[in-house]
Amino acid sequence: SYVLTQSPSVSVAPGQTATISCGGNNIGSYSVHWYQQKPGQAPVLVVFDDNDRPSGIPERFSGSNSGTTATLTINRVEAGDEADYFCQVWDSYTSDQYVFGPGTKVTVL
Amino acid sequence: EVQVVESGGGLVKPGGSLRLSCAASGFTFSSYGYNWVRQAPGKGLEWVSYISSSSAYIYYADSLKGRFTISRDDAEKSLFLHVNSLRADDTAVYYCVRALGECSGGNCPLDAFDIWGQGTMVTISS
Repeated sequence: SYVLTQSPSVSVAPGQTATISCGGNNIGSYSVHWYQQKPGQAPVLVVFDDNDRPSGIPERFSGSNSGTTATLTINRVEAGDEADYFCQVWDSYTSDQYVFGPGTKVTVL
Repeated sequence: EVQVVESGGGLVKPGGSLRLSCAASGFTFSSYGYNWVRQAPGKGLEWVSYISSSSAYIYYADSLKGRFTISRDDAEKSLFLHVNSLRADDTAVYYCVRALGECSGGNCPLDAFDIWGQGTMVTISS
């Protein structure tokens, strides 16, 4: 089955840029979605289809996807962005399954 | 308000079964596909199952096939997950999640998950 990898943690100072990576074999051929989850809360969709944002998500959140890495970028990081971030794909190539990455904890210093 | 609300969680003994329910409101329930996603304490997200409109397509995580059954009742605007032979490692928060994008003619986009419930906790313990 398809496997996604993510770095366990990223630390960033307020006002700086956080870059969260999601690795997978030929992930550029998949549509990648990103979710933000704060402690004790349900996940929230922040980017879908590689680089689209749902209504209500700030423009500070953006995504890209090419080759073997998809990236979620958070510009001008705020304290409220501290959360776990999960990438996700629908794998129709090998198993008709949704797959989540293991998650990246973003800490705002 | 567009929302989904789960119920049916609780403490269950190993080997038991349970049925989780999810009630939707604020949108046309029948026009969307739905998923169950679970999260064990302190762990990441694990996709469990998907059901399309009219139950035309149903998918399960390979690791969970055989013990989980997803279903829907469009008249009741409800989604269900029936689980048998419960084990300790089934302990998790179970989320009901709407799939992004309306279905058309029975075909649903297998896209992102846009509406999440707050989850229902299932604890398997003797």
